[in-house]
This record gives sequence, structure tokens and C-alpha cells, in this order.
Amino acid sequence: GAVVSQHPSWVICKSGTSVKIECRSLDFQATTMFWYRQFPKQSLMLMATSNEGSKATYEQGVEKDKFLINHASLTLSTLTVTSAHPEDSSFYICSADTGLGQPQHFGDGTRLSIL
Amino acid sequence: AQSVTQLDSHVSVSEGTPVLLRCNYSSSYSPSLFWYVQHPNKGLQLLLKYTSAATLVKGINGFEAEFKKSETSFHLTKPSAHMSDAAEYFCVVISEAFNTNAGKSTFGDGTTLTVKP
Repeated sequence: GAVVSQHPSWVICKSGTSVKIECRSLDFQATTMFWYRQFPKQSLMLMATSNEGSKATYEQGVEKDKFLINHASLTLSTLTVTSAHPEDSSFYICSADTGLGQPQHFGDGTRLSIL
Repeated sequence: AQSVTQLDSHVSVSEGTPVLLRCNYSSSYSPSLFWYVQHPNKGLQLLLKYTSAATLVKGINGFEAEFKKSETSFHLTKPSAHMSDAAEYFCVVISEAFNTNAGKSTFGDGTTLTVKP
């Protein structure tokens, strides 16, 4: 089945640094990937839709200069949290689209903790 | 427009007893519906999916769900709960509409399943 690998799984860093999270589709090509943020005991909140070879589409209220998304190939999308601050601490999850009406396949998530 | 309502934020059952997690949806078009499970600090794992074929859908780990159009429901069931079923469960709808939201998933708020020994 379709496998999505997300790396790293845990990140702890100082305030002001930038953090890059990678999302790879291992055995299929994904023209569209999604980035979610999840707060404790809450559902997933869609941050942006990442399309290969074009600019990402951000949801309302998500700062595109803060959360940089790059989807340079059909198997890799990256999310960079720039100048991270404690309020950016969260669980970030990526997923890959496998076709209209078909299920998304999710990475295992990245726990980001900003000190 | 589409929306998903998971009717229970928490469900607690004893091991070996049946599980029922309720989900109602609304969609302007023919929906695709999914149930996912999330264990702590993990991503989401697909349990089962409904995509306009059989209304009773069987998934992994003994779970199944029935699509009832008249009730706009897609409840998740399992005959006998296991301790390993304790997790967060999400009901998801995708509306097959040819607009800017085509293919975009809408998530329910989740149901926390607790299984008591």
C-alpha cells in the first residue's frame, strides 16, 4: 500500500531557529500533499495544500511567510517553520493525495517543541 | 459545502464488548467517507473507506461501517473491543465536486475510545 514517510518525528530547538520537516511518498507519486497542524485533543487543521511544481495554497489565517512549503518533486514536500517561537510548538502531519475521492495517506507526524 | 459531526467526543467500553462510534455528514455531492485511527504521537491510519460501492464496508482490525444515505450517517462498529483499540478515531468526508474544494477532506472533531479491562 501507499506509504508516506515523515521526518523528523521529534524536534526540540531554540526560539528563533528554523525547522524543516520532510514528507516523502515512498512507493507512489503524489502531485498533491497536505500539511496539517494538530493541537492536543483536537482534530487536524489543514494548513496548506502543496502541489508539485507550483506554489502552495494556504488556508485562511496561515502565514505563508512563516510556514514555507516546497514541493519540488513528485515524492517530496517540505514544510519549513521559519524563526520558530514557542507558540509554533505543535504536532505537524503531512499526507499525500492518491486521487479524487480516494483516501489520503498520512505520515507519522512531527512533534515540534520550541523552547 | 460539506461537514462532518462525530456525535461523541469520548466513548468508553469494556474489553470484549461492542464498539459504536457515530458519525453524521452533510455533502452537496456524492461523498466518499473514511474512518481513520490515530494512536498517540502517530499519524492517521486508514481503517476503512466508502466510495459508492457496497454500503456495508469492512475494514482492518475487525471494524466495519455502514453508509446510510437516508440518515446521512457512517457509524463505525466493532463486535468486540480489544485493549489495543484504545485511540482517537476520525471520520472524514471528501465531496466529489468539481470546484476548488474538490478532493479536500473535512475531518470530524474526533472520538476518543477508551477500553477498560
